[in-house]
Amino acid sequence: DAGITQSPRHKVTETGTPVTLRCHQTENHRYMYWYRQDPGHGLRLIHYSYGVKDTDKGEVSDGYSVSRSKTEDFLLTLESATSSQTSVYFCAISESRRLNTGELFFGEGSRLTVL
Amino acid sequence: AQKVTQAQTEISVVEKEDVTLDCVYETRDTTYYLFWYKQPPSGELVFLIRRNSFDEQNEISGRYSWNFQKSTSSFNFTITASQVVDSAVYFCALSEDTGRRALTFGSGTRLQVQP
Repeated sequence: DAGITQSPRHKVTETGTPVTLRCHQTENHRYMYWYRQDPGHGLRLIHYSYGVKDTDKGEVSDGYSVSRSKTEDFLLTLESATSSQTSVYFCAISESRRLNTGELFFGEGSRLTVL
Repeated sequence: AQKVTQAQTEISVVEKEDVTLDCVYETRDTTYYLFWYKQPPSGELVFLIRRNSFDEQNEISGRYSWNFQKSTSSFNFTITASQVVDSAVYFCALSEDTGRRALTFGSGTRLQVQP
């Protein structure tokens, strides 16, 4: 199993509060991703990182920011949480081989509820 | 833009029935990979199969089989003699031939296998 740890696994917060989710990997993979999972939408890409301090937006990035100061850690921040950000958040990593085959390894997910 | 469509939102079968989960994709890339992931009730995402765009051979793994047809842009998944343990949400996904190497997911099909 890929070494990916997400924290916290569950969080309940109130509208307007900041929230940070952490993804930690022990695989030394270059690529890291944050997805959100919502009923009827599958998984949608929020942000991704292709190296330390190298990040970019996905399809649903509004209201989210990310940081990657070390290879092993990728942080997702909701500056001011809203109820529409209630979701399950998955971190994923990808190998950095030249001939990338696209397979992602996922963390166990973080369930966030914004009241 | 890439797109993956899983038109079946939910399927319910009785144990030992065969069931096929449909997946239709859209992409302009000539090189791409298709995936199936399983999400059991416990919530983790489990990788099932990867198929590249140059290999249209069907694949069989135990009770699971996959039918890839480029002519119809489909990558369907069949479970033979379904079991209660097959109950899960199944996601079809498509890789991108871009620098970010992310996956585009379908909305998922929930399979309920009744005893």
